[in-house]
Amino acid sequence: DGGITQSPKYLFRKEGQNVTLSCEQNLNHDAMYWYRQDPGQGLRLIYYSHIVNDFQKGDIAEGYSVSREKKESFPLTVTSAQKNPTAFYLCASSTGQGAADTQYFGQGTRLTVV
Amino acid sequence: SQQGEEDPQALSIQEGENATMNCSYKTSINNLQWYRQNSGRGLVHLILIRSNEREKHSGRLRVTLDTSKKSSSLLITASRAADTASYFCATGDDYKLSFGAGTTVTVRA
Repeated sequence: DGGITQSPKYLFRKEGQNVTLSCEQNLNHDAMYWYRQDPGQGLRLIYYSHIVNDFQKGDIAEGYSVSREKKESFPLTVTSAQKNPTAFYLCASSTGQGAADTQYFGQGTRLTVV
Repeated sequence: SQQGEEDPQALSIQEGENATMNCSYKTSINNLQWYRQNSGRGLVHLILIRSNEREKHSGRLRVTLDTSKKSSSLLITASRAADTASYFCATGDDYKLSFGAGTTVTVRA
C-alpha cells in the first residue's frame, strides 16, 4: 500500500521536553514537507527537503529541527525552544518541488503540551 | 508569500445544492491547486489548474482561473453529505506551496 505515514497520531509533551514526529513515505518522492496547522487556520510551512541530506527552513522554523538521512524518512523534532507547540502537524511529499506538483499528505499528528 | 485567501470562511448548504468558494492571490502564478481536508485528517489533492487554463473539471468539481483578476473559484455541484470538509487553495513558487486559511463547507442532509 503506497502512501505517507505519520506517527504517532496523538502525542503529549511535557513542558521543556523535545519530541520527535515520524514521517515515512514509500512513494519514492524526492520532496518532503512539514506543516503546522492551528485551529481554523491554514497550513504554515515549517521545513522542506527536496533531496536527501538537504533541507530548508520554511516560514516558521524556529523551535523545530529536521533531518533527511534517507529518501523515505523526514522526522520533525519539536524542541523545548518552541513556545507554543500545541498544534496539528502534517507531513507531505511530492515527486517534484514547488507549485507544479501535487502534494500527498499523511494523516497528521496532534501534539498537545500538558 | 503568494498565499491565497479563500472566501467565504464558512458555507452551509442543503444536500443537492451547489457550493462555490473563491480564492484570491497576490502575485503572478504558474499553477494553482485545490485541496480538501476532512476534519482531523490530512489534505487530499483535488485539482491543479495551470495559468494558461481557464476552466477545469473533475467529476462534480469545476475550477476556474482568472489570472487578470488573480482569482480562482471552486464549484461543487449536487453536493452530498460527504462533501462536508474544509477546502484550501494553494499557490507557490519553484520550491514550495502556500495555503490559504480555507473555506469550511457544511452540507446539511
